[in-house]
Amino acid sequence: DAGITQSPRHKVTETGTPVTLRCHQTENHRYMYWYRQDPGHGLRLIHYSYGVKDTDKGEVSDGYSVSRSKTEDFLLTLESATSSQTSVYFCAISESGTISGANVLTFGAGSRLTVL
Amino acid sequence: KNQVEQSPQSLIILEGKNCTLQCNYTVSPFSNLRWYKQDTGRGPVSLTIMTFSENTKSNGRYTATLDADTKQSSLHITASQLSDSASYICVVSARGDYKLSFGAGTTVTVRA
Repeated sequence: DAGITQSPRHKVTETGTPVTLRCHQTENHRYMYWYRQDPGHGLRLIHYSYGVKDTDKGEVSDGYSVSRSKTEDFLLTLESATSSQTSVYFCAISESGTISGANVLTFGAGSRLTVL
Repeated sequence: KNQVEQSPQSLIILEGKNCTLQCNYTVSPFSNLRWYKQDTGRGPVSLTIMTFSENTKSNGRYTATLDADTKQSSLHITASQLSDSASYICVVSARGDYKLSFGAGTTVTVRA
């Protein structure tokens, strides 16, 4: 998937436990994003980053935090997982923040999280 | 509120047949519209991108159309193959805004 690796690909955890998902890119793109995908919904933006240590909230950021200490890594943390956070999480990257023309939003393969 | 509605939610077609997927949007001001294909268990992959001035764009057996006046787009799949079985997602960008509006997708199943 175009130089994007997500880990773990599958995780089952219990309510109240912390969870961290990792996104690693080899494209040296400035922008990185975390989305969640749920049945019947379009992809929804959780958080995004526009550079090392520069992050901002998306439309569904409650209960999630992110960190980006290196260009290539973007971490998504659920401090205390809840059943409503059961979802498939996708990391994406882009060269610039305006998605147009040749600036494609490229996605990872996804991380399926189940919170029991 | 910017919205993207796709129809149908799902469809089943026989191998070799054609099908058309619809996307209606209310995103304004419009910048571009992109169709993505998402195979089961994989991330979405871009198929086509269309800007305001483009009416039709093809990528192999996939042809996208755009009517910016009525804010509608369609994705036509010609001579479907089993490998076309996937979810197709319509994504719309607003001019000057980093945020994207995603449709919920249309799941296409091609049967032999």
